Amino acid sequence: KAGVTQTPRYLIKTRGQQVTLSCSPISGHRSVSWYQQTPGQGLQFLFEYFSETQRNKGNFPGRFSGRQFSNSRSEMNVSTLELGDSALYLCASSLVDRRGDTQYFGPGTRLTVL
Amino acid sequence: KQEVTQIPAALSVPEGENLVLNCSFTDSAIYNLQWFRQDPGKGLTSLLLIQSSQREQTSGRLNASLDKSSGRSTLYIAASQPGDSATYLCAVSPFDNDMRFGAGTRLTVKP
Repeated sequence: KAGVTQTPRYLIKTRGQQVTLSCSPISGHRSVSWYQQTPGQGLQFLFEYFSETQRNKGNFPGRFSGRQFSNSRSEMNVSTLELGDSALYLCASSLVDRRGDTQYFGPGTRLTVL
Repeated sequence: KQEVTQIPAALSVPEGENLVLNCSFTDSAIYNLQWFRQDPGKGLTSLLLIQSSQREQTSGRLNASLDKSSGRSTLYIAASQPGDSATYLCAVSPFDNDMRFGAGTRLTVKP
């Protein structure tokens, strides 16, 4: 069974631009969560999607948004990029609920904002 | 607000040693606690998931315990190997939205 895949793996953008990251969960998994990892703040929860609906959201500004498609694939968008958005963005999938089920993580997308 | 602390921040041990990693959290109202490992530049690999009603979980050489009343969890690694070198993170899922991670313990197992 294929694992969680994320594209692209690396991305370089400049301040003010926007970016879209993609995540394909493990087949059969319906919950997709996104996390941001930085050296200063560590791992922080961004949001979780289930059945095309945002189920939970972390403490991030509205520039961070996402969506989930009917096949459970998910995209995350960051608008008006800031230098502080440079981070490793991780996607994780679980069967139904990230709180009750084991989460499986993708390799991440390394975003650098110049 | 839930805070998760991991001690020590870094640990270096010789191969074959048994070791314990610690995780503490401030709010006992949690669904579960998970332990992950992260290799440099990579995503996370789930090691053990302990539901709030459970006291411990075991997988191979790993054993994780959970004491909600004291807000503590430990990850015990038996007979450590160089391949165990990685950063180990614990994460708690509280009843509110925000899943919280510790900063991690960076483990080095020397041959």
